[in-house]
Amino acid sequence: QKEVEQNSGPLSVPEGAIASLNCTYSDRGSQSFFWYRQYSGKSPELIMSIYSNGDKEDGRFTAQLNKASQYVSLLIRDSQPSDSATYLCAGLGDTGRRALTFGSGTRLQVQP
Amino acid sequence: DTGVSQNPRHKITKRGQNVTFRCDPISEHNRLYWYRQTLGQGPEFLTYFQNEAQLEKSRLLSDRFSAERPKGSFSTLEIQRTEQGDSAMYLCASSLGSGTTDTQYFGPGTRLTVL
Repeated sequence: QKEVEQNSGPLSVPEGAIASLNCTYSDRGSQSFFWYRQYSGKSPELIMSIYSNGDKEDGRFTAQLNKASQYVSLLIRDSQPSDSATYLCAGLGDTGRRALTFGSGTRLQVQP
Repeated sequence: DTGVSQNPRHKITKRGQNVTFRCDPISEHNRLYWYRQTLGQGPEFLTYFQNEAQLEKSRLLSDRFSAERPKGSFSTLEIQRTEQGDSAMYLCASSLGSGTTDTQYFGPGTRLTVL
């Protein structure tokens, strides 16, 4: 069983809509979570990090973390065709381990 | 450009040959990481350095793989006797190394194809 699970998609939303991307994790020791965006053939690009329960907003992006439910989400408001990419959720384990554990990613398609 | 850089960007080799990749981290970052990514999967951790010390290695890092970070600056990843299963994108990341939540920033990757 993978430690970080994501629906592979594709998730298709119309331009201007809200895209909701979800991630669950199994390691209760995970402290920090990161969302990366990856365009086809390119490397992951950091979008947001979140460490505490609740919401964190940055521009059109909102990350949500619920440690009790072991659930992380990313909301993209006013989705644009340029947001079409694979979104990777990653968790950082307990103190001492520095390796990020990634999910397989969710492919987002924003339809113009 | 002050981001993480990797060379070469693409490498095609024949099975059984040795290959070496280089990573230059963001200048003030003291942690450096290597990951491998295959099509349709997220990156998988290989190894991590804090300054020149290699502190963590994944079981994915077989004895054909070796990584170094002399003087705590750039790093090299060498794969000996390459196999077709080694074909992947090799990603390097670096982080500042402060606290337990420091953020990893990725380089452009080196795409390896083993024929």
